[in-house]
Amino acid sequence: IAGITQAPTSQILAAGRRMTLRCTQDMRHNAMYWYRQDLGLGLRLIHYSNTAGTTGKGEVPDGYSVSRANTDDFPLTLASAVPSQTSVYFCASSDSGLDGGELFFGEGSRLTVL
Amino acid sequence: EDQVTQSPEALRLQEGESSSLNCSYTVSGLRGLFWYRQDPGKGPEFLFTLYSAGEEKEKERLKATLTKKESFLHITAPKPEDSATYLCAVQGYTRDGNNRLAFGKGNQVVVIP
Repeated sequence: IAGITQAPTSQILAAGRRMTLRCTQDMRHNAMYWYRQDLGLGLRLIHYSNTAGTTGKGEVPDGYSVSRANTDDFPLTLASAVPSQTSVYFCASSDSGLDGGELFFGEGSRLTVL
Repeated sequence: EDQVTQSPEALRLQEGESSSLNCSYTVSGLRGLFWYRQDPGKGPEFLFTLYSAGEEKEKERLKATLTKKESFLHITAPKPEDSATYLCAVQGYTRDGNNRLAFGKGNQVVVIP
């Protein structure tokens, strides 16, 4: 079934450790996104990528980095995790046509930083 | 900055009791307004896109409408399986053409049998 695959689904991490959340899509969408979802704050955009080789900052980029080496993969890295990065992380993708379009989401990665 | 406000935050309905969810927004040029459904522990699932004031879309017991300042999601004769969090999001015009969405905090709906 076509869609977005995220890994891991859940992770507990010690503060200060490095962590990479993986995201792969098989829909050949040009654009990809990382959001975090926190109770009472909703979904907030961390980083996005319009096409392979390009990335952009969203609303809450500090402490996170991304790369887009190819169309299908968009990993999110926390270089040195802090407790405030405890959240549920969602990867999404969309066509990047000028008419806009819906985003398709993965099932999420729940990260706890202690 | 694009902003989306949803109300009420939480809603409990008896099965069959129709109601409406509100999404008010400010955006510098609206490309689209989106409604998603999210079940606990799952990712958001796309429901509707509305592009211009006056537009309406329906899917089963759900109907979405749009004005220049807000959108409504009407739930007609809800069933327990309609229990979910409903997310509203706007897509504005950006310099790089990206389709990123700005989300509201959601309307948590519980339908009681």
